[in-house]
Amino acid sequence: KAGVTQTPRYLIKTRGQQVTLSCSPISGHRSVSWYQQTPGQGLQFLFEYFSETQRNKGNFPGRFSGRQFSNSRSEMNVSTLELGDSALYLCASSLVAGGSTDTQYFGPGTRLTVL
Amino acid sequence: AQSVAQPEDQVNVAEGNPLTVKCTYSVSGNPYLFWYVQYPNRGLQFLLKYITGDNLVKGSYGFEAEFNKSQTSFHLKKPSALVSDSALYFCAVRDARSSASKIIFGSGTRLSIRP
Repeated sequence: KAGVTQTPRYLIKTRGQQVTLSCSPISGHRSVSWYQQTPGQGLQFLFEYFSETQRNKGNFPGRFSGRQFSNSRSEMNVSTLELGDSALYLCASSLVAGGSTDTQYFGPGTRLTVL
Repeated sequence: AQSVAQPEDQVNVAEGNPLTVKCTYSVSGNPYLFWYVQYPNRGLQFLLKYITGDNLVKGSYGFEAEFNKSQTSFHLKKPSALVSDSALYFCAVRDARSSASKIIFGSGTRLSIRP
């Protein structure tokens, strides 16, 4: 069974631009979560989607948004990019959402660099 | 609020020796606990999890972890370290009491195994 895939793997943008990252979960998984990983802040939760609905949200500004499609694929968007948005963005999928014993399986991440 | 702490930024072990990576947690209800490993330029890989039952959990690549409720700890262990175990290790916790709880990750511990 194919794992979680994320596209693109690498991205370079300039300040003020916007970016869209894509995540395809493991087949059959209905929950997708997004995380931001930086050397200084570690792994921070962005949001979680289940059946096209946002179930949980982290403490990020409104410039960070996401959505999930009917096939469980998910996208996250960052508008008006700032230098501090440079990070590895990780997507994780699981069978069900929130409060469950399900294991999250991670994709390889998208490395975003903002110049 | 739930939290997880990994008190050591780095752990250095000689190949063949036992290793321990420490993790302590805080949740309101019962915890679901997870360990993940991250190799350079890769996403997180699931190692093992504790949900309930036996306090000693066995996982991938010869790793195991011991759940200690009184000390609120979930230390990762391996009897004999390999150079290939060198990586970044994350402990994570989810509060089993809340159906909307998020997974919270520790700051990570870099494990370095010297030949």
